[in-house]
Amino acid sequence: EVQLVESGGGLVQPGGSLRLSCAASGFTFSSYWMTWVRQAPGKGLEWVANIKEDGSEKNYVDSVKGRFTISRDNAKKSVYLQMNSLRAEDTAVYYCVTVSLDYWGQGTQVTVSS
Amino acid sequence: DIQMTQSPSSLSASVGDRVTITCRASQGIRSDLGWYQQKPGKAPKRLIYAASSLQSGVPSRFSGSGSGTEFTLTISSLQPEDFATYYCLQHDRYPPTFGQGTKVEIK
Repeated sequence: EVQLVESGGGLVQPGGSLRLSCAASGFTFSSYWMTWVRQAPGKGLEWVANIKEDGSEKNYVDSVKGRFTISRDNAKKSVYLQMNSLRAEDTAVYYCVTVSLDYWGQGTQVTVSS
Repeated sequence: DIQMTQSPSSLSASVGDRVTITCRASQGIRSDLGWYQQKPGKAPKRLIYAASSLQSGVPSRFSGSGSGTEFTLTISSLQPEDFATYYCLQHDRYPPTFGQGTKVEIK
């Protein structure tokens, strides 16, 4: 059974940091690009970042460039999102996604508030 | 960034109705478009990829068409389980961008 399980979300103050993790199982993780997508409360979907199979290429939406870093560990079948200098507008449910296979995690809530 | 303009933003329909949702891209994206369905509290699920290819396991009442800048998702006969929010997603150019969503509600 395919599973993507996110963790690491929570409440953080503006300017703070969080590291999201996503553990994959049930498919050949190292063969696929991995993506983070977020959804602010009551809003639509926003693509955040993705990373190539071997980690050699990474892409980000402009609003997170310089603040967020995506990485992966194929030996651990995991992808990560390091989020620094968090802002209120980063508040959202963050989904880990294998877009080509349409596998989605259940999402992890990130709330940025004082 | 490529803007995806979805219309309508919401609609009310009855079971059995034919429903059409449109997505317009701010520039040509070939056929690099998918359609997603999201139900409250759940992760999205892809219905259509490459503009017109039906995702495995998705009922045949869903269909997609278009290329370039104009795309359409059609539900031929709306079923109770189809009441949800639908999004288009272009992946022709970085960053991939979603439409703002269409909420399909019960009339």
